[in-house]
Amino acid sequence: DTEVTQTPKHLVMGMTNKKSLKCEQHMGHRAMYWYKQKAKKPPELMFVYSYEKLSINESVPSRFSPECPNSSLLNLHLHALQPEDSALYLCASSAPDGRSYEQYFGPGTRLTVT
Amino acid sequence: AQSVTQLDSHVSVSEGTPVLLRCNYSSSYSPSLFWYVQHPNKGLQLLLKYTSAATLVKGINGFEAEFKKSETSFHLTKPSAHMSDAAEYFCVVSGGYSTLTFGKGTMLLVSP
Repeated sequence: DTEVTQTPKHLVMGMTNKKSLKCEQHMGHRAMYWYKQKAKKPPELMFVYSYEKLSINESVPSRFSPECPNSSLLNLHLHALQPEDSALYLCASSAPDGRSYEQYFGPGTRLTVT
Repeated sequence: AQSVTQLDSHVSVSEGTPVLLRCNYSSSYSPSLFWYVQHPNKGLQLLLKYTSAATLVKGINGFEAEFKKSETSFHLTKPSAHMSDAAEYFCVVSGGYSTLTFGKGTMLLVSP
């Protein structure tokens, strides 16, 4: 099973709202990622968690707050977003133990900020 | 440091004809290379991967790619295109430990 699930599929929020994106995998992967993807562009890395610890933060604004409650779950908390934050948010996971480096992606959450 | 160049932003083929999507990479050490496909409003699906084993790599849905170190290329091919192959394709290189470098993508258009 190489499935990564993400909820919700679509989210519309105002600039003053607080919402969360959720990601789950049951492949035993110990690295999980958040990416942001704008239309007709490749994904841009936002955060990397390795063994439930934040290992990479690509200078993402503080209105995005990641959380990794356990090895299977990854959340992205959103607060006071801007319209330019509207994008497809992708979660991915991989085995960080040197066996291979491919990442498995979820279907994404389409976020619209109004 | 590594980088990826996808030589075509769009490729148009007719159904039943061969597909060639071109990718060149740059890496300071032996890379892992991947091709991902993304259908509209979907996530990325791994098509195939090269990790220093056989240089000709077979993937899902009839796709394959050949790693050519002398040419620093990793082109994606398929003998016969299907309408369902229409999508965005990303060539990706891994720098090891968690980080992927994406090409800008090639949109494959398939006409009947």
